[in-house]
Amino acid sequence: DAGVTQSPTHLIKTRGQQVTLRCSPKSGHDTVSWYQQALGQGPQFIFQYYEEEERQRGNFPDRFSGHQFPNYSSELNVNALLLGDSALYLCASYYFVQGWSGYGYTFGSGTRLTVV
Amino acid sequence: DQQVKQNSPSLSVQEGRISILNCDYTNSMFDYFLWYKKYPAEGPTFLISISSIKDKNEDGRFTVFLNKSAKHLSLHIVPSQPGDSAVYFCAAFTSGTYKYIFGTGTRLKVLA
Repeated sequence: DAGVTQSPTHLIKTRGQQVTLRCSPKSGHDTVSWYQQALGQGPQFIFQYYEEEERQRGNFPDRFSGHQFPNYSSELNVNALLLGDSALYLCASYYFVQGWSGYGYTFGSGTRLTVV
Repeated sequence: DQQVKQNSPSLSVQEGRISILNCDYTNSMFDYFLWYKKYPAEGPTFLISISSIKDKNEDGRFTVFLNKSAKHLSLHIVPSQPGDSAVYFCAAFTSGTYKYIFGTGTRLKVLA
């Protein structure tokens, strides 16, 4: 049973460029969240997608956008890259039920983005 | 505004002894607290959680204690093993918000 898979694992971009990161959720999961983990910090919530819509968003600028596809996979897009966007980007998935207790978040291994 | 804090960036413990990792929070609306373990080049892995209505939860060698009045939780690992060496993140969650708030992590090193 495959867990959460993310691609690519590493990439290097130049300031001002745009990047797309991809996430396939764990089998049976329908909700995808994206987190940014800067060096020495804990993961910070970017946004969450459920039923192909953004359900909640953290304190990130509009340069960060996303999408969820009918098969529940998701993309994270970042425009006009800044040096400060260099981080590990984590995708997490779970199966949403009403009254979700927060249990069962499964994380991928992340995409390491370096902006030069 | 750091709602979840892990004030010890690192901890070293001898194999077989107890490891105690601490976490403080400021938001009294948190309903659940979780601990995740992270190895290099891997995503965080769920370890153990506790509801805000409980004060203790055990799972094998891992026990989480919650002190709501002090807004403090701790993870105890007994006995510690070299394979426990990793970065441990404390996370908190409020029902209906769908997001975790993570601390900055504590790097645990268990010495053989």
